[in-house]
This record gives sequence, structure tokens and C-alpha cells, in this order.
Amino acid sequence: KNQVEQSPQSLIILEGKNCTLQCNYTVSPFSNLRWYKQDTGRGPVSLTIMTFSENTKSNGRYTATLDADTKQSSLHITASQLSDSASYICVVSGADSWGKFQFGAGTQVVVTP
Amino acid sequence: NAGVTQTPKFRVLKTGQSMTLLCAQDMNHEYMYWYRQDPGMGLRLIHYSVGEGTTAKGEVPDGYNVSRLKKQNFLLGLESAAPSQTSVYFCASNDQSSGNTIYFGEGSWLTVV
Repeated sequence: KNQVEQSPQSLIILEGKNCTLQCNYTVSPFSNLRWYKQDTGRGPVSLTIMTFSENTKSNGRYTATLDADTKQSSLHITASQLSDSASYICVVSGADSWGKFQFGAGTQVVVTP
Repeated sequence: NAGVTQTPKFRVLKTGQSMTLLCAQDMNHEYMYWYRQDPGMGLRLIHYSVGEGTTAKGEVPDGYNVSRLKKQNFLLGLESAAPSQTSVYFCASNDQSSGNTIYFGEGSWLTVV
């Protein structure tokens, strides 16, 4: 069973609107959680990274939150732009396995004009 | 900085043929990884290396071999290609100096017919 589950699998939003993506994980003990953006045909690029002591991190219009108690994270995209169309991947690292990462399947976001 | 560079970007193989994917990083990272990405699934670890001259199996190592003769290069070999190995392959690198950021290559699209 995948230790990182993302929802929704895909979503379509109108340009200018906000959206929130979810990531639930079971990795334990927990070390850190990353959000990556993957444009079609490209490699993933880091957006944010949070350790267990951080509960929010922003990168421009992207804001990630983390609740280590409930093992949930969210990525909020504000005022979406066409360039936000991509797959967003949640990646979790365990504290006892440095260098090994658990990847979610990603949420495919399509921003329409 | 080129970051992580993968070659080739596209390749079509016949069943039973062999080939090697090359990954090169110019960030002096200790850790390097090979992943495959299939539709609807998260990135899955094939093999990884924690330093020059070392390799280790990941989640899906069967049918693949790797070598890390030089710190900056990590090669992924397919000994006898099978249609099930049709996928997109990503190389990545990181280490303590990069914090917790994983740097990915742009991907190699492999089709086995």
C-alpha cells in the first residue's frame, strides 16, 4: 500500500481561482514533506519543504501546510495562472531512512482561461 | 549550472535489446537515484547510490543494473529490454549540502516494442 496518498487525482479550475490539494501519509517516523511541481514532459521541481516542526511554508502563490499529528498536508494555489497547469507531487521522507523518499501519485491540475 | 542531465531523452528498443541511460550531475552530490514513472503511479525507486563505487537496490530493481564509477555519473542499464520496461525514467541527486532538496533530470522516455 502506498504510504503517500494524494487527492484529488485531477482537477480543473478557472484562471484566477484558488484551489487546494491534499496529501495524507503514513510514513513513520516522519522527517520532512516536500511538494514538487512537474510540468508535462519535464522533471519535478521543488516548491516547498517542511519538517515536522513547521506547519506552513510559502513560495509565491503556493502555500503548503503540514499537520504532523494527523499526517496531513495541503498545497494551496492562490489566484491560479495558466502556467500552474501541471502535476503536483507530495514526497515524504522517513526519519530513519535518509535518502529514501515515498512519492504520491500526484494531482493533475488544469487551469483553463 | 546544468544540474542533472540525462541522455538519451527518447529511445525505442526492441524486446531483448540492451541499452544504457546516462545521468550526470555537476553539484558534487553524494546520493544519486534512478526512478521510473508510470501513469497513475508515484515515482518508484529502481536503484540508488550513496557515493562513488556504491549501489543499492530500490523498490523495483529487477531487469536493471547500475554503476557509479565516477561520483558525477550514474548509469542505468537494461540487460534485455521487455515491454514492461516502457516508462519514463528520471535520475535525481541530493545530499546534505543541498538541504533536503532533490534535483531531478528532465526524464528519458523509453519505449520497448
